[in-house]
Amino acid sequence: QKEVEQNSGPLSVPEGAIASLNCTYSDRGSQSFFWYRQYSGKSPELIMFIYSNGDKEDGRFTAQLNKASQYVSLLIRDSQPSDSATYLCAVNADRGSTLGRLYFGRGTQLTVWP
Amino acid sequence: TAGITQAPTSQILAAGRSMTLRCTQDMRHNAMYWYRQDLGLGLRLIHYSNTAGTTGKGEVPDGYSVSRANTDDFPLTLASAVPSQTSVYFCASSDGTGLNEQFFGPGTRLTVL
Repeated sequence: QKEVEQNSGPLSVPEGAIASLNCTYSDRGSQSFFWYRQYSGKSPELIMFIYSNGDKEDGRFTAQLNKASQYVSLLIRDSQPSDSATYLCAVNADRGSTLGRLYFGRGTQLTVWP
Repeated sequence: TAGITQAPTSQILAAGRSMTLRCTQDMRHNAMYWYRQDLGLGLRLIHYSNTAGTTGKGEVPDGYSVSRANTDDFPLTLASAVPSQTSVYFCASSDGTGLNEQFFGPGTRLTVL
């Protein structure tokens, strides 16, 4: 069983602050990791992916991966009210394959208040 | 391009009835997936298809069947619906290369009474 755990939240931060979202996974052989954002009533939207240890930055978003600790995180700098959503961590269960089955965490609900 | 479309948007279904949820993608992606999303449980994989003509079972396949007659379409069928199948269903696809990022359709909200 491939487990993906996220801090359940909800997480509430003021506008302009850094929001930190965390995720751990059980399958040590997992190689690629994804963060999806999901607004209420909408479908998940891919915002970040990472596959190498360290940090990956894209605008206000930074994904961090530590394979030794089986830990992946998402930092949102200068948080905006429009960032208020549920953030889903997903782990690719397939290695060296054309298939990319994802195992998802239950999501962390983020609220950014003005 | 439209990306991934799903139909219907929502449906109320009587228990015991059958229903097919439709999913079509125009990105020529090889792999397609069906997930269900339930409050507090997150997204769970129902069935998947690596390429046209092949399908496989995910985490929660019982009560569902799929087919993949061509690249674009991946319908999900509930042969005899039960209330526990009330959920939001998402179809997704990936191109089967590189990191194989998945892109999701808009979803179908199904209520089984």
